[in-house]
Amino acid sequence: SQQGEEDPQALSIQEGENATMNCSYKTSINNLQWYRQNSGRGLVHLILIRSNEREKHSGRLRVTLDTSKKSSSLLITASRAADTASYFCATVPNQGGKLIFGQGTELSVKP
Amino acid sequence: EAGVTQSPTHLIKTRGQQATLRCSPISGHTSVYWYQQALGLGLQFLPWYDEGEERNRGNFPPRFSGRQFPNYSSELNVNALELEDSALYLCASSSAPKGGLNYGYTFGSGTRLTVV
Repeated sequence: SQQGEEDPQALSIQEGENATMNCSYKTSINNLQWYRQNSGRGLVHLILIRSNEREKHSGRLRVTLDTSKKSSSLLITASRAADTASYFCATVPNQGGKLIFGQGTELSVKP
Repeated sequence: EAGVTQSPTHLIKTRGQQATLRCSPISGHTSVYWYQQALGLGLQFLPWYDEGEERNRGNFPPRFSGRQFPNYSSELNVNALELEDSALYLCASSSAPKGGLNYGYTFGSGTRLTVV
């Protein structure tokens, strides 16, 4: 079963604009992670934010986590055509176990 | 360092046949996870393996089975294939030590299974 709901399902922007994707989840988590998938191939780990962290940065990526609202957002600044991909949030439950993925957001960045 | 490797890349089978998918984790990773990604359905977790033991098979029926070998590589077998088993099957491994949670997964490129 899926833990996360992502919003929007699809997002289309112009190169240079910022892209914001949101993720909501249902149960208590240990950490939340964001992954990227190009053209139906393997996923690439982007960033991990622990439940006691509120914000994290990595290059052009900024992730926030609000455990009171059970939600997270991924911001990609100054987007590039090469950022076109599907982006998934995934959570690790407090009691441990495997990553549980959301349905993903399909991002299209037009040159 | 070699990443997570999966084989074969593509597999076409007839309904009712059996499929075997293979995964080799990154050297030193002992946990292997399998996910099914069918069109429009997101990633559904399949049984996963930690140091040779199956931990959780999720909602998948017994015709999905797997094992992990002493070198931590893993095999996923799908018996009595059905059309809806057509999907991208992704394998991932993690460097998390036993009980460790704050680790990302490294994914292979997947096996595209098509059942006709």
